[in-house]
Amino acid sequence: QVQLQESGPGLVKPSETLSLTCTVSGGSISSYYWSWIRQPPGKGLEWIGYIYYSGSTNYNPSLKSRVTISVDTSKNQFSLKLSSVTAADTAVYYCAREYFAAGILYSYWGQGTLVTVSS
Amino acid sequence: SSELTQDPAVSVALGQTVRITCQGDSLRSYYASWYQQKPGQAPVLVIYGKNNRPSGIPDRFSGSSSGNTASLTITGAQAEDEADYYCNSRDSSGNHRVFGTGTKVTVL
Repeated sequence: QVQLQESGPGLVKPSETLSLTCTVSGGSISSYYWSWIRQPPGKGLEWIGYIYYSGSTNYNPSLKSRVTISVDTSKNQFSLKLSSVTAADTAVYYCAREYFAAGILYSYWGQGTLVTVSS
Repeated sequence: SSELTQDPAVSVALGQTVRITCQGDSLRSYYASWYQQKPGQAPVLVIYGKNNRPSGIPDRFSGSSSGNTASLTITGAQAEDEADYYCNSRDSSGNHRVFGTGTKVTVL
């Protein structure tokens, strides 16, 4: 059973860079797309972007200028960096595995980690 | 703003049927997937493709699509179905992903 676990600081100062890592266990990171999705408190889900295990990426146009997603296949991990954060970036951040089967689907999710942007 | 629009909230009597809709131009070309999210938990995939349920999802959940609208139907709603539901698909460019605005389902 594939499991995903997010890790990283729960508090980030405004204008700094948010950094999170997702560790994949129970399966290889190879041959899949790996995504970051966030949810501000009390609001809906927002797709941030994905990375293919080979390193190709695709980002939400509204966040593209501030987002970098990278992968470390040797550690079975992928990471998110979001620069110049503001209070609007406060959210629960989820990592998930994207799969194509009659459309896009996310069948495996991490538990989510709350990141608060505050001084 | 999301390119996939859902009604903010719907209610259903216990044991009755409720349909949740997701509207967007991209749905004319791409399938939607549907996610159930309970408070404090990660979303769970309930329907994908034309009408496919992952293992473990009760058969009271079903999906359909027509034109620019995808629908999730719960037939015989149970108390444990009370949750937020989100659709997901590609955006109108086809290049990116987008979630619907979400629907809160209340079981009365």
